[in-house]
Order: sequence, then C-alpha cells, then structure tokens
Amino acid sequence: QQPVQSPQAVILREGEDAVINCSSSKALYSVHWYRQKHGEAPVFLMILLKGGEQKGHDKISASFNEKKQQSSLYLTASQLSYSGTYFCGTDRPSNTGKLIFGQGTTLQVKP
Amino acid sequence: DTGVSQDPRHKITKRGQNVTFRCDPISEHNRLYWYRQTLGQGPEFLTYFQNEAQLEKSRLLSDRFSAERPKGSFSTLEIQRTEQGDSAMYLCASSSGQANSPLHFGNGTRLTVT
Repeated sequence: QQPVQSPQAVILREGEDAVINCSSSKALYSVHWYRQKHGEAPVFLMILLKGGEQKGHDKISASFNEKKQQSSLYLTASQLSYSGTYFCGTDRPSNTGKLIFGQGTTLQVKP
Repeated sequence: DTGVSQDPRHKITKRGQNVTFRCDPISEHNRLYWYRQTLGQGPEFLTYFQNEAQLEKSRLLSDRFSAERPKGSFSTLEIQRTEQGDSAMYLCASSSGQANSPLHFGNGTRLTVT
C-alpha cells in the first residue's frame, strides 16, 4: 500500500522550518526517507524502524509515531541546498529492499 | 566507492524499437534493483536481484521487459517493442543486502519513445 505524503509542495525562505508527513492507513514496517534533486539520483537520508523513534542529523530529523502509521520529516533553518523532492518509502518485514514510495513532496527554498 | 552508474543517460527511440539499458552497481553490493519513475511520481519497483538470481518481478513488468544480471555484477534491462507509455526514467539501485540497508541509486536512464 502506497504511503501518502503531505503537503505536495512547499515554498520556503532560507532559515524557515518545514515538516513533511508520510501516512498510511496500516502500520508500516519501516519508513525510509530520500531526497531527489532535479535530474539526479534519490539520496538516502534516514530510516526509522520503531514506533516512537526519532532520528536526525544536522538540521534534518524524522519521527515515527507509536502506531507506526505516520512519519514526519523535519527540516529546520532550511538552506538553499535542501531544495528538492522528498520521498518516503516503506519496506516489508522480509527486508527485500522493495520500497513502495509515496508520491513525493517538492520543497523549494528561496534566498 | 564510485557509486551506481547507468548507461546511457538518455535514450530516444521510435515506437516498436528495442532498447537496452545497463547498470553497474557498487562493487561490493549483492542486491540490485530496477525502478521506474514518471514525472511527479515516486520510483516504482520493477524487479530485483540477489547476486545473479532474479528474486522478484513487479506486475508492472510486462512480457516485453526482461532484466538480467549474468555474473552477479552489472545488470541489463531490455524493453522490446517499445510503446509511448514506456517513456520514463529508469533507475537502478544497489544495496549490501543487510537488513534495512539503504538503496544507493544511479542517476537513471531517461527513455523517450516517439
């Protein structure tokens, strides 16, 4: 089942914060976050596995709620380099790496 | 670690022609994946290999599509009798195969069928 992302698009000024949500009607085994810049490969950001987990590096962090039905990606004090399309994906317990991705959230950071 | 490389970057073909794409994964990775991405959408899984064995194919992969990984290293994706609906970005990714290991994507091959 494909996770649903919201919002579809966000426009920010440098230094502003953003939250991107990834939801499912059923509990997800895992949530993988990727960022893709225009014309480039998707790049892995982080993976969350446990309900209630929070993880982050630099000013990009993510959480996974207790029911494992929603994950949120937090971008604080955004930089121009954060621009791109963010995808969440979910795998199965068998860890095949066959990810089902959401439709993506496009983030544009303006000076 | 030179990353995942794909060739060609762009391919324009006429409807009905056959095309073949190549993917070279990160050398120590034993899993290799093919995804397809259309404009405004997330990548969609097509198939994956563990070493040379093709373990799963999506229902999206019609009989016109075939993928190989003959020696467990590089992989090829062939599309026969291309249709305009095949126009998309074809992404290759590899992983170590360890539990919850990330996918490392290549820059993709953009196919345009005219």
